[in-house]
Amino acid sequence: DSGVTQTPKHLITATGQRVTLRCSPRSGDLSVYWYQQSLDQGLQFLIQYYNGEERAKGNILERFSAQQFPDLHSELNLSSLELGDSALYFCASSLGGPEQFFGPGTRLTVL
Amino acid sequence: AQKVTQAQTEISVVEKEDVTLDCVYETRDTTYYLFWYKQPPSGELVFLIRRNSFDEQNEISGRYSWNFQKSTSSFNFTITASQVVDSAVYFCALIKTSGTYKYIFGTGTRLKVLA
Repeated sequence: DSGVTQTPKHLITATGQRVTLRCSPRSGDLSVYWYQQSLDQGLQFLIQYYNGEERAKGNILERFSAQQFPDLHSELNLSSLELGDSALYFCASSLGGPEQFFGPGTRLTVL
Repeated sequence: AQKVTQAQTEISVVEKEDVTLDCVYETRDTTYYLFWYKQPPSGELVFLIRRNSFDEQNEISGRYSWNFQKSTSSFNFTITASQVVDSAVYFCALIKTSGTYKYIFGTGTRLKVLA
């Protein structure tokens, strides 16, 4: 158990809908990272927040957004969902150094 | 640009065989970290090892061993006497030691260990 929690574990929705994925980092960790694992793109970095501020962006679509709240939990919002957004979404946290601790992931299925 | 290549898409071995998973990386940074993660069928990412670019010592942990060679930009992973429970997808990842610590993952190698 990494100490990072993600909810929900599974999410099934329809095209065009909007969903929110939630991540609670390890106690004391200030950084939260979001990754997407899809069949065609593999595991790729989406976005990072550090202590409430956006720190870096990767291959994140404009339909996707994220935020980190004062209690340091983070949410990833996915809107106008398409079939290709079906993937496993991981959240990871770190105190600020290079090693990240991954949550169990949220499996999103868009029908 | 940074890149991690895992050329082996899938490997099948019979239980008790040794197996090596290859990882080749590209980076212009002089300091970086390399990682291996295991992703079992349940889907979570399990941390296996972290290696600093300044530490080229090979490491052994039980049946697992890692061979890091900067000269060939490789960080290979060997499982000795494989077991069915080793069946998983294994990812190699690279991270630089400055700026944003985003992982660059390889495409993964699916290991199937047959009983």
